Parts: sequence; C-alpha cells; structure tokens
Amino acid sequence: AQSVTQLGSHVSVSEGALVLLRCNYSSSVPPYLFWYVQYPNQGLQLLLKYTSAATLVKGINGFEAEFKKSETSFHLTKPSAHMSDAAEYFCAVSDTGTASKLTFGTGTRLQVTL
Amino acid sequence: DGGITQSPKYLFRKEGQNVTLSCEQNLNHDAMYWYRQDPGQGLRLIYYSQIVNDFQKGDIAEGYSVSREKKESFPLTVTSAQKNPTAFYLCASTATGGTGELFFGEGSRLTVL
Repeated sequence: AQSVTQLGSHVSVSEGALVLLRCNYSSSVPPYLFWYVQYPNQGLQLLLKYTSAATLVKGINGFEAEFKKSETSFHLTKPSAHMSDAAEYFCAVSDTGTASKLTFGTGTRLQVTL
Repeated sequence: DGGITQSPKYLFRKEGQNVTLSCEQNLNHDAMYWYRQDPGQGLRLIYYSQIVNDFQKGDIAEGYSVSREKKESFPLTVTSAQKNPTAFYLCASTATGGTGELFFGEGSRLTVL
C-alpha cells in the first residue's frame, strides 16, 4: 500500500526567503510522485512530477523537488518566496502511474509575509 | 482553450434533496474522476471512469452516483443518502497512457442547509 505524509499543515515564510515543503512517501515499488498547487476556491494545478528520470525535478513558477529514495522523500523547494506563492500545496504518490491509484497528502498551506 | 468546466461553482441544497454537479471536458481525455475535498483531509476519490459507459467506485462512493454517457461529460449526483455532503467537489481528467497527471476543473462548493 502507498501513502504520503506532508509534515506541517501550515508553513509561513517571509517574502524572499527559502520555501521548503516536506513530503515523505511509502511505496512498495518505485513511485510516481507529484506536487500540485491549489489557490483559494480553485482546482489543483500540477507543479511538477517525478517519473523515474532525473531525481531533481524542475517545475513551474521556480519550484523544484528532489527525489531521495534513501529518505523516501520528495520535498518541494523554491529559493525565494513571492507573495503570489501563497496557496495550498499537495504531494501525491502513485505506485502504478495511473491516476485512479493516486494517493494525496493532506496538504500544506503556505503563507508568505512581507 | 482546452480544459474542464464544472458547474455550478456554488450550490446550496436542503437536506433530503439530490443534487447533480456537472463536469465537461474538451481535452479529449478518456479517463475522468470525481474527488471530494474537506479541510485538512486532502482529496478523496469518489468515482472514476476510464471509458464511456463504464465507471468504478473510489474510496468514498457511498451516497454518490455517476454516469458516463459521453466522453466529454461525467456528472456526479449527490444523493440524500450521503450523510455529510457539504464539501468542495473537484472533477479531473487524464489522458490514456499518461503518467497519472490530473487536469482539474475549478470545483463546485456544495453546502447543505
């Protein structure tokens, strides 16, 4: 069975500071890993995905994530936060690469302050 | 522009009433999904359909029903049997043979009065 844990339901950073959102997964096979972003009262949008190619994945809006098998982690980072990054972020894992088997984390709400 | 359209965006319902949420996509995707989102619980899969005239229950299908008569459309009915229907509902789709990337609509917020 697969699962995903997002540490910290709320994260607050200052504008210009490093953003680090944590995601740990469990999977019995090499996983497919995703980060999605959700702005208030909207659907989710894909930020980036890992599908067994390069371990450092670059996404949209300056975000990137590194797949670390030894730590079973897929943390999301951005060097410098912008006010427009304030949103909720979801990590998701799939054993099979099919969306019907996708498991979402509970989300991390990112607040960016001046 | 291609995308997924959900309607209505906001909906109020009295207890005991059924309500149908619309989901239409023009991405030519074969698979479509309905998720429920509650605060602090992430997304939970209600139903999904990988092909016209076929659909499968997800993790929380009780109290919901769906149909898939056309490739473009996947409506969700929240029945009176759903004990706690107030939630944000998200429709999504994926391309066949893809790597699981979901494309989402903007959601429908249902409130039961």
